[in-house]
Amino acid sequence: AQSVTQLDSQVPVFEEAPVELRCNYSSSVSVYLFWYVQYPNQGLQLLLKYLSGSTLVKGINGFEAEFNKSQTSFHLRKPSVHISDTAEYFCAVNRPFYKLSFGAGTTVTVRA
Amino acid sequence: GAVVSQHPSRVICKSGTSVKIECRSLDFQATTMFWYRQFPKQSLMLMATSNEGSKATYEQGVEKDKFLINHASLTLSTLTVTSAHPEDSSFYICSAIDRVGTDTQYFGPGTRLTVL
Repeated sequence: AQSVTQLDSQVPVFEEAPVELRCNYSSSVSVYLFWYVQYPNQGLQLLLKYLSGSTLVKGINGFEAEFNKSQTSFHLRKPSVHISDTAEYFCAVNRPFYKLSFGAGTTVTVRA
Repeated sequence: GAVVSQHPSRVICKSGTSVKIECRSLDFQATTMFWYRQFPKQSLMLMATSNEGSKATYEQGVEKDKFLINHASLTLSTLTVTSAHPEDSSFYICSAIDRVGTDTQYFGPGTRLTVL
């Protein structure tokens, strides 16, 4: 079965500091990995995805993630956060028939 | 591109009534749409997979007679919560995959259902 574990439920960070959100996956098939962001009372917006190729994936809003097969990880990073990055972040892995398994989410709170 | 809309964004209804939520892909054709439920401070729980022109496939534990799904066209899927009760109050989110099959789900903005 495919699943993801987000290792941090809450990450407080100061503005302009770097942030890393950790995600580990488990899968017995070819892996596609995703990071989504959810702002309060909104749906999910795709930040970035790994389907194949380069293990370093660049996304929107200055985010990037690195796929590490040996460590079964797909950690999300941003070198300098803004107040507007305060949101819930979800890591997801593909399941058969285009389904996704989501992690529990990481709440990022950016403080001035 | 790849915009998904939901209507209504917020609905309040009385217990025992039925509520219909629409999910539309605005700029692409979606052969497959998904319906999720999200409780406060929790992750998304997949309820069902909606395929155009066929019956929806429900996840284990989801009552198909309670949550009726119709995918009548390539751009529209509807979720009807029948005989709603307060425990059905939740945030319902749909997503869609385009026909090219890029393994990427595009999400709607969600519908907040409150059952009094």
